[in-house]
Amino acid sequence: AQSVTQPDIHITVSEGASLELRCNYSYGATPYLFWYVQSPGQGLQLLLKYFSGDTLVQGIKGFEAEFKRSQSSFNLRKPSVHWSDAAEYFCAVGPSYNNNDMRFGAGTRLTVKP
Amino acid sequence: EAGVAQSPRYKIIEKRQSVAFWCNPISGHATLYWYQQILGQGPKLLIQFQNNGVVDDSQLPKDRFSAERLKGVDSTLKIQPAKLEDSAVYLCASSLASEPNSPLHFGNGTRLTVT
Repeated sequence: AQSVTQPDIHITVSEGASLELRCNYSYGATPYLFWYVQSPGQGLQLLLKYFSGDTLVQGIKGFEAEFKRSQSSFNLRKPSVHWSDAAEYFCAVGPSYNNNDMRFGAGTRLTVKP
Repeated sequence: EAGVAQSPRYKIIEKRQSVAFWCNPISGHATLYWYQQILGQGPKLLIQFQNNGVVDDSQLPKDRFSAERLKGVDSTLKIQPAKLEDSAVYLCASSLASEPNSPLHFGNGTRLTVT
């Protein structure tokens, strides 16, 4: 069964600094990979997704992620963090044909220092 | 477009009581999901509906949890009787179809506290 590991529970960065959130997955076939963001008291919002093709995926709010099959990773990056990016970030992996077995990581909480 | 609506936003109950949550998905979305998000964890799928039929309820604790989507639109999730470990945020999500390129749209959730 697929699984997702987000090694960092909590990350603090200064506003304007670059950001990288780590995600490692376990899946037997080509995975469908997702990054979601959750602000306090809100539901999850899709940032970006990877199914196939170009391994560098662009998302909303200036985020991007790179799929590296050799490392089983799908790390999320942003060149310059804004205070409004403070939130919880979840990586998820799903099977190739439907959503009903999507597995979420435990999340990484991002704090942005002024 | 209007988002996924959930109510109530917060609920506090004592153990062994019952509780129900309501979800109204985005208009036209055939697929509806209920997730449980325990503090410090990612969401875990409880049940998935396609229209008014259940696609997957393998992780639903059926001895105490039930869900229905009678007319293929809004849905209710019920817990009876509640246990302390049911304290969590219950998220409803919907999508156009059960295809991987149909993104999930989440509601703001219902935070349940069982005392």
